[in-house]
Amino acid sequence: DARVTQTPRHKVTEMGQEVTMRCQPILGHNTVFWYRQTMMQGLELLAYFRNRAPLDDSGMPKDRFSAEMPDATLATLKIQPSEPRDSAVYFCASGLVFGQSYGYTFGSGTRLTVV
Amino acid sequence: QKEVEQDPGPLSVPEGAIVSLNCTYSNSAFQYFMWYRQYSRKGPELLMYTYSSGNKEDGRFTAQVDKSSKYISLFIRDSQPSDSATYLCAMQDSTLTFGKGTMLLVSP
Repeated sequence: DARVTQTPRHKVTEMGQEVTMRCQPILGHNTVFWYRQTMMQGLELLAYFRNRAPLDDSGMPKDRFSAEMPDATLATLKIQPSEPRDSAVYFCASGLVFGQSYGYTFGSGTRLTVV
Repeated sequence: QKEVEQDPGPLSVPEGAIVSLNCTYSNSAFQYFMWYRQYSRKGPELLMYTYSSGNKEDGRFTAQVDKSSKYISLFIRDSQPSDSATYLCAMQDSTLTFGKGTMLLVSP
């Protein structure tokens, strides 16, 4: 089965450090989402891309978060500087949208702990 | 009011029961409706996908969408302990908006 691959699976870092999370979407998918999941807020949309172009990043704290797709096989989410409130599970999801949407496949997530 | 409302549960049922999970929403622009299942410490997994109002069946799972009432449901027949997970509804216009999920516990 095709899958979305996220690395690292776990990350523990100190406050103030830079964190980079990576996502390899499913080959051929043209849409990529980044979500953050916490117990309190559930799944929150951070950013999304269509054909590598950023379409919406209104959910991201712009002063510290950035999302990019340097090529079709890689999406990155960076936090600089990280803060304890950024501790969460970060998910990447990819899908094919061409007129219609057919649902999205999620990766296994990056569990981030900022101490 | 949140765009998507979902009872967090937990919902506890015995094995073999019929389970009904529901979401309400406020955004009339939502066109696609999905149900995801999430096991502990895993990513959400797409279970069912529907477009517009109506029913869709897949094995033991049935998804219903009533756009006039802004209400969607997922029914699980003959529930199994392996169905124990958190079920998330999701709705799409340009982006994908999730409910907070309902935790389901099916006891043997």
